[in-house]
Amino acid sequence: DSGVTQTPKHLITATGQRVTLRCSPRSGDLSVYWYQQSLDQGLQFLIQYYNGEERAKGNILERFSAQQFPDLHSELNLSSLELGDSALYFCASSVVAGGRTEAFFGQGTRLTVV
Amino acid sequence: GQQLNQSPQSMFIQEGEDVSMNCTSSSIFNTWLWYKQEPGEGPVLLIALYKAGELTSNGRLTAQFGITRKDSFLNISASIPSDVGIYFCAAPQGGSEKLVFGKGTKLTVNP
Repeated sequence: DSGVTQTPKHLITATGQRVTLRCSPRSGDLSVYWYQQSLDQGLQFLIQYYNGEERAKGNILERFSAQQFPDLHSELNLSSLELGDSALYFCASSVVAGGRTEAFFGQGTRLTVV
Repeated sequence: GQQLNQSPQSMFIQEGEDVSMNCTSSSIFNTWLWYKQEPGEGPVLLIALYKAGELTSNGRLTAQFGITRKDSFLNISASIPSDVGIYFCAAPQGGSEKLVFGKGTKLTVNP
C-alpha cells in the first residue's frame, strides 16, 4: 500500500459527460501529480500541484482541469469526454525535499468512455 | 522533450534466470527511478538512484546509475513468477519534479 488513495477505481461514462477523479496523497506529502496511462502512450504527465498551487503542467487538454485543496487532496476534472479519453488515470504524491523526487502512486482510476 | 528509451520491450524467461534491462537517454539526469507495475495496479517504486555510478540493491533487484548520467540499469537475480509485470524507468524532467517515464519492459516468467 503506497498510502495514496484514489477514487473511484472504475468509472464508465458517456461521451460528452464530465467526471471528477479524487486523490488523497500520502500523509505529509505536499506535492500531487496526475498521470494518464493509455496503451499506446505510456505514462504521460498531466499536471502537478504543490501545497495548493499549480507547479507544473504537461500535455493536459483544455477540457481537463485539476485543483488541490487546503487538506492537500486533489481532484482531476475531465469534461466533454471523448472516446479517446478512456485510460487509466493515476495520482502520485511526493514530499519533494532534499533533492529527492520519489513519487508514490495510487492504484488508479480506470475511465471508460462509451 | 526528454525521452527515456527502455530495452528490451519484453522478455520471456524461465524461473531462476537472471534478468537485465536498461534505460537510456540523450539527456543527463540527476535522478533515476525504477518502478514495477502489475496488471490493474499503480506503479510501485522499487529503487531510487541519486548519484552517478551508484549501485543500489533491494532484495534480488539491483540498479545502477550510469557514469555518464544518461543511462541506468536494472538487474533481477534468480527470477520468480511474482516478478512478472512491467518495469519502468523514470527520471525528473528538465530539473523539475515531474517524471518522464520510459515505455517499459514487460517481463514474463515461466515456472
